[in-house]
Amino acid sequence: AQSVTQLGSHVSVSEGALVLLRCNYSSSVPPYLFWYVQYPNQGLQLLLKYTSAATLVKGINGFEAEFKKSETSFHLTKPSAHMSDAAEYFCAVRGIQGAQKLVFGQGTRLTINP
Amino acid sequence: EPEVTQTPSHQVTQMGQEVILRCVPISNHLYFYWYRQILGQKVEFLVSFYNNEISEKSEIFDDQFSVERPDGSNFTLKIRSTKLEDSAMYFCASRGQGRVQETQYFGPGTRLLVL
Repeated sequence: AQSVTQLGSHVSVSEGALVLLRCNYSSSVPPYLFWYVQYPNQGLQLLLKYTSAATLVKGINGFEAEFKKSETSFHLTKPSAHMSDAAEYFCAVRGIQGAQKLVFGQGTRLTINP
Repeated sequence: EPEVTQTPSHQVTQMGQEVILRCVPISNHLYFYWYRQILGQKVEFLVSFYNNEISEKSEIFDDQFSVERPDGSNFTLKIRSTKLEDSAMYFCASRGQGRVQETQYFGPGTRLLVL
């Protein structure tokens, strides 16, 4: 079965600092992986996705993620944090059966310090 | 840009009452989903729907839950007799068909509070 583990339920960085949110996956087949962002009191917005093409994926708002098969990882990074990046971030892997549900990690709450 | 919409945004109900959560998926999408997020917890899959039938459901989706696509545009989740533990944010999602249509687009959610 597919599963996702996000290391660190809370991450705090200073404005302008590097953002690194960790995601490791488990999948019996080549995975499709996603990062979603949830701003306070809002729904889930797709940041970026890996679908077996380029291993370095660029998303919206300056975020990118690198798929590393050898490490079963899909960590999310941003070179310079902005106050508006404060949100909850979810990593997800797509299921392989039927309608291909998403299996989410537990989420990482990102706080940006001025 | 097309988007998934959900109504109501908030719903408060008494335990044991029936609630219907409504979603309008993106118009040319064929797969529909409900997820829920209990406060402070991760997003959990409830059910997927394709070709007018349930294609997969989780263990959470018991006999108290049902889904329907009554008119070709709306997609509803019904909870027949709500419990306190049904309090959560419920998200609807939809996606198109085919290999390039793998992205699920989420609605803004309905926050359900059962008292």
